[in-house]
Amino acid sequence: SQKIEQNSEALNIQEGKTATLTCNYTNYSPAYLQWYRQDPGRGPVFLLLIRENEKEKRKERLKVTFDTTLKQSLFHITASQPADSATYLCALKKGRTTDSWGKFQFGAGTQVVVTP
Amino acid sequence: DGGITQSPKYLFRKEGQNVTLSCEQNLNHDAMYWYRQDPGQGLRLIYYSQIVNDFQKGDIAEGYSVSREKKESFPLTVTSAQKNPTAFYLCASSIDQGTGTQPQHFGDGTRLSIL
Repeated sequence: SQKIEQNSEALNIQEGKTATLTCNYTNYSPAYLQWYRQDPGRGPVFLLLIRENEKEKRKERLKVTFDTTLKQSLFHITASQPADSATYLCALKKGRTTDSWGKFQFGAGTQVVVTP
Repeated sequence: DGGITQSPKYLFRKEGQNVTLSCEQNLNHDAMYWYRQDPGQGLRLIYYSQIVNDFQKGDIAEGYSVSREKKESFPLTVTSAQKNPTAFYLCASSIDQGTGTQPQHFGDGTRLSIL
């Protein structure tokens, strides 16, 4: 079965530095991969979606890469700020056919702590 | 403002009791989802619905039931058959039918505990 792995250890980083998070998956390669941010006691908030034919996607200080050979996506927060402190989740759909519509799988998330 | 509303925020269940978690969206989205989140684990899919009057089991449907009689509403019932219901429950919706090309919009969850 498909597995998604994210670093379980919290990432502590100093303000202004770049945070890099990893999302690894096994078995088949998804056509799309999504990243979300979750604050304590709140629901996840969508950040970025990257397609398999896109090597890189950017949104303001966020950058996502997608390496289908390595079966890995990297999520970067540049010029990090204390307000970026949260847990970041990656997610993908379990399959590439219409049978898989609606069947999403999420990683456990990586907590980022940005200190001033 | 458009969004997803989950209620209540906190819920307590007694032994042998069924409880229902509410999820309402005013985004006019087709698909709706229920996830369970436990500490240290990713969100796990309980049920999803691609359109009104249709829903399908996710990975951990045992002990749960849903209905989708209206586009904007997707309530989840945690039955007494669910022996470990303590968790954070999240409802989500997406504008498409779950193709993966569109983001999911989440509510702020219901935290369910056993008395």
